[in-house]
Amino acid sequence: ILNVEQSPQSLHVQEGDSTNFTCSFPSSNFYALHWYRWETAKSPEALFVMTLNGDEKKKGRISATLNTKEGYSYLYIKGSQPEDSATYLCARNSGGGADGLTFGKGTHLIIQP
Amino acid sequence: NAGVTQTPKFQVLKTGQSMTLQCAQDMNHNSMYWYRQDPGMGLRLIYYSASEGTTDKGEVPNGYNVSRLNKREFSLRLESAAPSQTSVYFCASRHDRDYGYTFGSGTRLTVV
Repeated sequence: ILNVEQSPQSLHVQEGDSTNFTCSFPSSNFYALHWYRWETAKSPEALFVMTLNGDEKKKGRISATLNTKEGYSYLYIKGSQPEDSATYLCARNSGGGADGLTFGKGTHLIIQP
Repeated sequence: NAGVTQTPKFQVLKTGQSMTLQCAQDMNHNSMYWYRQDPGMGLRLIYYSASEGTTDKGEVPNGYNVSRLNKREFSLRLESAAPSQTSVYFCASRHDRDYGYTFGSGTRLTVV
């Protein structure tokens, strides 16, 4: 079973500050790394899908980087706003020829006004 | 656009009862998935269907069966529910592995 690790487990950030968190994953049989935002009482929503080593993607104030050789990805949020409060999930392809994604447990982000 | 529709949203079952969770997507996606979410654990894959006519086991398939009825619909069946199957179940779909998932709103299942 693939092990996708996210850190920290939870994070409190002041409104206006920037923050980042980490996703670590095995590099073998890698195809894609995904990031999702999961707001309370809603379903996870896709933020980024990254496949190439060195990939950087950006959506507004949120960006992500990917290092497939060492097996990690960073998610950055610039100038945090209260609406950024959510759990951020990363996932990579499950490997072993199987379709589907293996998810980490998430980083729970709380933005304090 | 409805996206991914799951029914029911909530269900309480007695141990040993059976039920089917329904999932339908209107985005013409090829692949569909069933996950469960338990406290302190990441989303875990139960079964998936990479394309119409195929189904495969995921990480935690025991106690479940699935049917890919057509391209739109992918159902999950619990034949004899157990308390360990108390969970929140999510259905998801995507066009293919180059794309992210679109998730349904989830089914909260309690087995007593």
